[in-house]
Amino acid sequence: EIVLTQSPGTLSLSPGDRATLSCRASQSVNSSNLVWYQHKPGQAPRLLIYGSFSRAAGIPDRFSGSGSGTDFTLTISRLEPEDFAVYYCQQFGGSPYTFGQGTRLDIK
Amino acid sequence: QVQLQESGPGLVKPSETLSLTCTVSGGSVYSYYWSWIRQPPGRGLEWIGYVFYSGSTTYNPSLKSRVTISVDTSKNQFSLKLTSVTAADTAVYYCARYLHGWFFDYWGQGTLVTVSS
Repeated sequence: EIVLTQSPGTLSLSPGDRATLSCRASQSVNSSNLVWYQHKPGQAPRLLIYGSFSRAAGIPDRFSGSGSGTDFTLTISRLEPEDFAVYYCQQFGGSPYTFGQGTRLDIK
Repeated sequence: QVQLQESGPGLVKPSETLSLTCTVSGGSVYSYYWSWIRQPPGRGLEWIGYVFYSGSTTYNPSLKSRVTISVDTSKNQFSLKLTSVTAADTAVYYCARYLHGWFFDYWGQGTLVTVSS
């Protein structure tokens, strides 16, 4: 099983700041199989990034993904108030599909 | 816009079977894969398995002995059955559409199922 470890667990920032979220895999993941989701309480998770760096439909360009192998990053260039949520990475490269434990992005 | 809605009992007794249904609207179950994911309280997301519209399935090995996912194309629904539940199966259960090998693009809002006597 591929274990995904996200860091930090919680990130406290202010609107307008830049956020950098990390996802590290226990073994190499094909870049096409790494995804990021945003999750707000009581809502359905929202697909943000697929294939490590491709934005899903309707996702603002302040969200960007990068990385390869075992290290992947989600960057939010300038935080908007609606961006404060929990972010999960997920891999489809090996069964079972696994998620990271999440990074909570809080308003400072 | 595709929408998914989970339904089913919110309380299940230990050792019994958890049964949930996901109703798909704004689109068809045909030609897609459909998945279940869960999140125990205070913990991360866990993929349970998926079904193709044809009925073929793939499950998480950790749950495979207890899980059945099926699809009903006539009702545009798919379902989850989890047998012999324990308190460890208490979670918010999500259904989602799966673009095979790529991502879960549409999710339901989730339904909390508590296992307790």
